[in-house]
Amino acid sequence: GAGVSQSPSNKVTEKGKDVELRCDPISGHTALYWYRQSLGQGLEFLIYFQGNSAPDKSGLPSDRFSAERTGGSVSTLTIQRTQQEDSAVYLCASSLAHGGGTEAFFGQGTRLTVV
Amino acid sequence: KNQVEQSPQSLIILEGKNCTLQCNYTVSPFSNLRWYKQDTGRGPVSLTIMTFSENTKSNGRYTATLDADTKQSSLHITASQLSDSASYICVVSARNDYKLSFGAGTTVTVRA
Repeated sequence: GAGVSQSPSNKVTEKGKDVELRCDPISGHTALYWYRQSLGQGLEFLIYFQGNSAPDKSGLPSDRFSAERTGGSVSTLTIQRTQQEDSAVYLCASSLAHGGGTEAFFGQGTRLTVV
Repeated sequence: KNQVEQSPQSLIILEGKNCTLQCNYTVSPFSNLRWYKQDTGRGPVSLTIMTFSENTKSNGRYTATLDADTKQSSLHITASQLSDSASYICVVSARNDYKLSFGAGTTVTVRA
């Protein structure tokens, strides 16, 4: 696609429910990142994919959080049994991955509100 | 471990004033550094890229500097405008690592 697409753009869910957030990276981008921004906080790293594997998932805050990527493309971030502290904007970014790095392109984010 | 630290976390300035944001990194071996601007409700967008050999680069009222020896970069905003209110994120890449390292960002609020 033309850019990184995230869906939904907004999600309101009840505490205790599971949610799935989706990220469609730019075609051909093998690196994919999930970050979140809580109100008044900076970017918080969640997980990094290289292809379908996740060499760094050190940022996932608890076992309620999981992510997968299939076909080296679409990624889904799943939050189980959501809590109010999960409320945040979840950002996805993708980049061409080669030695030396390149520009990361971000999606618009998914604003998650847990009530 | 490759890390990127930004300061301050947030700042408030009056319209027309200047400000400087800092980015310190431990990424090695260094390849390049980008500054991104994130407007409210939007995803971050690249403002400028600094490579090892570059000391300063301007993009309109934004000027980025890089000191590869001390591993520091700064983003200077001149004659701030209300539209400069945003988060500014520093992202650093290493020559031997596919994974980019992101700073937490600095939130700038420009008031009339």
